[in-house]
Amino acid sequence: GAVVSQHPSWVICKSGTSVKIECRSLDFQATTMFWYRQFPKQSLMLMATSNEGSKATYEQGVEKDKFLINHASLTLSTLTVTSAHPEDSSFYICSARDPTGQAGISPQHFGDGTRLSIL
Amino acid sequence: AQTVTQSQPEMSVQEAETVTLSCTYDTSESNYYLFWYKQPPSRQMILVIRQEAYKQQNATENRFSVNFQKAAKSFSLKISDSQLGDTAMYFCAFMKGGSTDKLIFGTGTRLQVFP
Repeated sequence: GAVVSQHPSWVICKSGTSVKIECRSLDFQATTMFWYRQFPKQSLMLMATSNEGSKATYEQGVEKDKFLINHASLTLSTLTVTSAHPEDSSFYICSARDPTGQAGISPQHFGDGTRLSIL
Repeated sequence: AQTVTQSQPEMSVQEAETVTLSCTYDTSESNYYLFWYKQPPSRQMILVIRQEAYKQQNATENRFSVNFQKAAKSFSLKISDSQLGDTAMYFCAFMKGGSTDKLIFGTGTRLQVFP
């Protein structure tokens, strides 16, 4: 079945550094990928929709300059948390849908998530 | 804007028993899809079951079934013969029909299955 790989699974870094998270679709080409943020014991909050070859669409309240998204190929989207601070610590999850399937029949496949801890 | 509401933050059930998780949603769309996702402690998101709004028949997947009440905008999940491995967070999600594919999640219900 379709698999989405997310890397790294856990990262700890110092405040002020930038962190890049990768999301890859392993056996299908994803024209659209999604980035979510999840706080402890809370739901998934959509941050942005990543579109291959064009700019990402950010949800209201999400800082575009803080969370840079690049979708340079049909199998890879990256989320870069720039100048990260402790409040950016969270669980980040990506998802992608196989575009050859109908939306409701072939729903989004999720990566395993990245736990980001900023010291 | 669409909203998804899960009114039960936590639920518990004994192994082999049946439990129902509630979900309501609000939308003006006529074409949409509804999902239940499971997130175990590993935090991996696992699709449990899906329902197309245009289908009147309730979806079933083995021990999992839904009660889809379109007029009431209700989409509950029933888990029969609960197993210890069902312990997880359960999220109800809405997706508008069309090309956006954006999922809107409810706040989740934490289900604990006891032996």
